[in-house]
Amino acid sequence: NAGVMQNPRHLVRRRGQEARLRCSPMKGHSHVYWYRQLPEEGLKFMVYLQKENIIDESGMPKERFSAEFPKEGPSILRIQQVVRGDSAAYFCASSPGYGNQPQHFGDGTRLSIL
Amino acid sequence: EDQVTQSPEALRLQEGESSSLNCSYTVSGLRGLFWYRQDPGKGPEFLFTLYSAGEEKEKERLKATLTKKESFLHITAPKPEDSATYLCAVQARGDRGSTLGRLYFGRGTQLTVWP
Repeated sequence: NAGVMQNPRHLVRRRGQEARLRCSPMKGHSHVYWYRQLPEEGLKFMVYLQKENIIDESGMPKERFSAEFPKEGPSILRIQQVVRGDSAAYFCASSPGYGNQPQHFGDGTRLSIL
Repeated sequence: EDQVTQSPEALRLQEGESSSLNCSYTVSGLRGLFWYRQDPGKGPEFLFTLYSAGEEKEKERLKATLTKKESFLHITAPKPEDSATYLCAVQARGDRGSTLGRLYFGRGTQLTVWP
């Protein structure tokens, strides 16, 4: 499967714990994007990364959220000290490079906070 | 602020009954408009990219068109397997002509096609 791979597909955390979401882009893609989809809402942009570089994090909450895309390995979205409001589906997308090329999405991680 | 509005929110069609979905947008400079299909529990699946007013793209029973203010997704003779949520997203031009990578999504149109 050469598509965007996200894991885990489902993640349950208790309030105050940390959540780590992983994303491996499509083969040949060097740009990664994270989006969040809350119930009854549309997809909202969070962060845009290239290898070892954050390009645009304007959609990410200033506290508790961080993202990285290291030289080796998947991109990681990290949420510290999770709260109930963090419950959502988190989607990763990738594209080949700059410009207006289409982004291809994974099937998401469903995060539930108890 | 850049915005994308889709209508209707939900649409029920009988198999074979053609219709159109609307996506209106306000962005400071359009770099691309994208249509996706999303099935329950899945991620958005890319369908089309449109870059300039007057452009049209077709794929099987779907045809996407673009004007300066809106895009339409026309569905001809739909089948039950076309049932899904259809999402519209735009990519804007940033300062100095650069492309902002982020996509602005509408809330989608939930299409149900019954036999």
